[in-house]
Amino acid sequence: NAGVMQNPRHLVRRRGQEARLRCSPMKGHSHVYWYRQLPEEGLKFMVYLQKENIIDESGMPKERFSAEFPKEGPSILRIQQVVRGDSAAYFCASSPLDRVAPLHFGNGTRLTVT
Amino acid sequence: AQTVTQSQPEMSVQEAETVTLSCTYDTSESDYYLFWYKQPPSRQMILVIRQEAYKQQNATENRFSVNFQKAAKSFSLKISDSQLGDAAMYFCAYRSLSDSNYQLIWGAGTKLIIKP
Repeated sequence: NAGVMQNPRHLVRRRGQEARLRCSPMKGHSHVYWYRQLPEEGLKFMVYLQKENIIDESGMPKERFSAEFPKEGPSILRIQQVVRGDSAAYFCASSPLDRVAPLHFGNGTRLTVT
Repeated sequence: AQTVTQSQPEMSVQEAETVTLSCTYDTSESDYYLFWYKQPPSRQMILVIRQEAYKQQNATENRFSVNFQKAAKSFSLKISDSQLGDAAMYFCAYRSLSDSNYQLIWGAGTKLIIKP
């Protein structure tokens, strides 16, 4: 049973470009969470999705950031017009229907904005 | 709002010895989960141990155990017989059980260094 798969592992973008981060949850998991980790810090919640629904996006900046989890395919975190401050590691986690089950994390995508 | 505090930015321990990492949290809730996650240089976030707040018995997983003091809101991690592979960042995290709150709230992490 493959774990949570994130790609790409590393992503370099110039200021103003778009970044698209992908996350395939574990098989059977219907809940996806995106977290951001800045250097020397813990993770910060961004958004929580179920299939075709955004449940909570309170941690995600209202501008330039969007997330989706379509019926088919991976969850996508999209950052438009990236700025240097967007440089961070972005982690995806998934859990089954039981929300109290532990989250399983992917290896993260390190976004570097030059 | 809940907060999680890890007051030790860095800890070091001699291989084969025991080390304790501290974590305190603040909450007004009575039911919740607490976690310790390990993040090695590979960056993957690995669950080390989980504690349900309603359980008085401290959780253990092989060489890893916790000292859960609910009244003091303290949740420390003890690593016995430290191994080189234990070197990593360790994060303490809190998760509410209320319907409206399912986020993991994270501490800033403790970097654990294992001296050979």
